[in-house]
Amino acid sequence: SAVISQKPSRDICQRGTSLTIQCQVDSQVTMMFWYRQQPGQSLTLIATANQGSEATYESGFVIDKFPISRPNLTFSTLTVSNMSPEDSSIYLCSVLRETQYFGPGTRLLVL
Amino acid sequence: SQQGEEDPQALSIQEGENATMNCSYKTSINNLQWYRQNSGRGLVHLILIRSNEREKHSGRLRVTLDTSKKSSSLLITASRAADTASYFCATSGANSKLTFGKGITLSVRP
Repeated sequence: SAVISQKPSRDICQRGTSLTIQCQVDSQVTMMFWYRQQPGQSLTLIATANQGSEATYESGFVIDKFPISRPNLTFSTLTVSNMSPEDSSIYLCSVLRETQYFGPGTRLLVL
Repeated sequence: SQQGEEDPQALSIQEGENATMNCSYKTSINNLQWYRQNSGRGLVHLILIRSNEREKHSGRLRVTLDTSKKSSSLLITASRAADTASYFCATSGANSKLTFGKGITLSVRP
């Protein structure tokens, strides 16, 4: 298994601002992922965070909007930039061991 | 588009009854997983079944996989109020990326 923490757990932000979400895992992992879950919806993969290289984004998600850092094998950040109310979602990081384990999520509300 | 499609979308049962949830998918997979989510919190991994497996058990959970029909089922036996949650199936291919279904909302009445 994996112990994953995320900060902040929730936030309320004004439109036009940016928020950086942190994800910390208890031991080294190669693959980390960031997902978005819009209200009442399922999870959608935003990007794969690769250590030492650029993140790999899924269709519909771009680096300018969701820049990702992966400075080491236990940590990653996702920034939601220039936020609008449509960005209100739960953002979850996950790591791959024998399967994917998820963090507790960051609940974001954009006013 | 979503890979997995669960049915029913919502299920309400009495405590002690069994709950059966189904998931269908469209493309070939390496494995299929079921997750639980309580009240919009993080996902809890329940069980993984590989494409060469047909059935798997874990406690009160039983998962089946039929690759010819591209479908899976999750059975929760002797349900409890604490089983009330949203359940998602997720498929994984060679790249380890997960594609989630829309989810099933299970309500277990005390």
